[in-house]
Amino acid sequence: GENVEQHPSTLSVQEGDSAVIKCTYSDSASNYFPWYKQELGKGPQLIIDIRSNVGEKKDQRIAVTLNKTAKHFSLHITETQPEDSAVYFCAAPTSGGSYIPTFGRGTSLIVHP
Amino acid sequence: DTEVTQTPKHLVMGMTNKKSLKCEQHMGHRAMYWYKQKAKKPPELMFVYSYEKLSINESVPSRFSPECPNSSLLNLHLHALQPEDSALYLCASTHRDSSRGEQFFGPGTRLTVL
Repeated sequence: GENVEQHPSTLSVQEGDSAVIKCTYSDSASNYFPWYKQELGKGPQLIIDIRSNVGEKKDQRIAVTLNKTAKHFSLHITETQPEDSAVYFCAAPTSGGSYIPTFGRGTSLIVHP
Repeated sequence: DTEVTQTPKHLVMGMTNKKSLKCEQHMGHRAMYWYKQKAKKPPELMFVYSYEKLSINESVPSRFSPECPNSSLLNLHLHALQPEDSALYLCASTHRDSSRGEQFFGPGTRLTVL
């Protein structure tokens, strides 16, 4: 099955700095990589995703890069703001017919004003 | 409507109680999921329904009983729970169980078992 490693577990930055969270996966057949943001007391919310036929995707201040050869993908947040503070999860699908995401362990991002 | 709703938001129950969690979506999604999430951990899959049929049960104890009455509704019936079952219970849906696409999560039900 799929194994997803996520680093770091905690990331503390100053407002305006950039933040980078990295994930590696094990199954070379994986082809869809979402990132979720989970604020305190809420369910995870998809913020960006990337499919294996592209190397980078950007949406305003967030971007995701994918290196299929190395089997890793990263979330980049620029010009961080206090409201970016949350837990971020990466995921990759397990192999098989049903879509079952395997989640990384999560990164707690703290943005200090 | 791109929303998954869950009720109740909070639930406190004793170990002898019977209660139910409810999840609803009106996006026409045909795959619905129950997850359990402990603090500072990722969601942990419990059940998957595909076209209203149970397709995956991740060896969940029988004190948790899922039900999918129709394509928009998912229930989780709880009976004789243990304190270690206290967690955030999340419902999610996707277009089809085989589609690699956005999985929409509900806000969750915070369950406390006394």
